[in-house]
Amino acid sequence: EIVLTQSPGTLSLSPGERATLSCRASQSVSSSYLAWYQQKPGQAPRLLIYGASSRATGIPDRFSGSGSGTDFTLTISRLEPEDFAVYCCQQYGSSPRTFGQGTKVEIK
Amino acid sequence: QVQLQESGPGLVKPSETLSLSCAVSGYSISSGNYWGWIRQPPGKGLEWIGSIFHSGSTYYNPSLKSRVTISVDTSKNQFSLKLSSVTAADTAVYYCARISGPFDSWGQGTLVTVSS
Repeated sequence: EIVLTQSPGTLSLSPGERATLSCRASQSVSSSYLAWYQQKPGQAPRLLIYGASSRATGIPDRFSGSGSGTDFTLTISRLEPEDFAVYCCQQYGSSPRTFGQGTKVEIK
Repeated sequence: QVQLQESGPGLVKPSETLSLSCAVSGYSISSGNYWGWIRQPPGKGLEWIGSIFHSGSTYYNPSLKSRVTISVDTSKNQFSLKLSSVTAADTAVYYCARISGPFDSWGQGTLVTVSS
């Protein structure tokens, strides 16, 4: 099973700042089958990024993903008020599908 | 636009079987894709439970495999989850989702509490 470790656990930033979130895998993620999700309280996760760097439909271009192998990054170029949420990575290259524990982006 | 909606009892007794359904609208299950179940205990992270293709082929998380059954009913355009011998550790929000590689569309989730 691939274990995904996200860091930091919490990121305290102000609107307009840049957010950089990390997701590290315990072994290489096949074909960069790595996704990022955003989750707000009481809501289902929303797909942001798939294939490590492709934005899902309707996702603003301030969200970008990068990385390969075992190290992946989600970057939010300029935080908007609606971006404060929990972000979670997930690998779908091997079974079982696994998720990271999440990074909370909170308002500083 | 595809929409998914979970339904089922919100309270299940320990040792009994949890049963949930996911109704899909705006997209035919028979068109393709896998369909899956994911859960999230209160205040914790997401856990994949298992997935099913419209043909009925399934694959499950090994950690739950002995207790999980996922089935599909293409005539009703829905799929279902059964989790047997539940304990308090199975208390969670249960989500259904469409799979196109990643989980690209999700239901709103339903809280299932295991308690006597």
